[in-house]
Amino acid sequence: QVQLVESGGGVVKPGGSLRLSCAASGFTFSDYYMSWIRQVPGKGLEWIAYISHSGSKIYHADSVKGRFTISRDNAKNSLFLQMNSLRAEDTAVYYCAREGGNCSGGRCYSEGYFDHWGQGIVVTVSS
Amino acid sequence: QSVLTQPPSVSAAPGQTVTISCSGSSSNIGDSFVSWYQQLPGTAPKLLIYDNDKRPSGIPDRFSASKSGTSATLGISGLQTGDEADYFCGTWDNSLIAYVFGTGTKVTVL
Repeated sequence: QVQLVESGGGVVKPGGSLRLSCAASGFTFSDYYMSWIRQVPGKGLEWIAYISHSGSKIYHADSVKGRFTISRDNAKNSLFLQMNSLRAEDTAVYYCAREGGNCSGGRCYSEGYFDHWGQGIVVTVSS
Repeated sequence: QSVLTQPPSVSAAPGQTVTISCSGSSSNIGDSFVSWYQQLPGTAPKLLIYDNDKRPSGIPDRFSASKSGTSATLGISGLQTGDEADYFCGTWDNSLIAYVFGTGTKVTVL
């Protein structure tokens, strides 16, 4: 079955960096778009970034643009989020999520929803 | 600040029906498919509805949804205590070039 397992969270000082990883299994990772989504405890969901199946298409939310970078290694079935210049407001639970989609004629597409989520990893930015 | 507006909470007795609205604009709901997510306490969100009204396998038909113009609605019939959770709508916003979620609605079974 599909499994997504995040790692790399923890406590970091403002201005510091962290790299989150998401290990994927149970599906052909290279066929799917992937996203990072975060949630401040007790609050709503905020989409942060997505990356296409091949890594050729990447979008980041304005709130993290220039500070966070999404990437993937299809050979290792892994998704990453490099977070630099961290701020207190980046404190949240971070989820990796697979985007529902399909492949046709050698090209893969996202259908604009998240059909599988990891369990989440906590990132705390505090001095 | 979310661009999709949901009521903060809804409640009903077991067996009853609740509906949750999700209001957006022409650049998001009006132009893209809507999905819905259920988040049980202390767990990750789970896909409930995709493409406005489709249920993934394993989701009971007590959960239904629709979209009209710039609004979407999730319905839960035959309410059960296990349905107590937060529910979020979501869709792509072509103006923001971002995926956006609703503000979330807490469902309470009385």
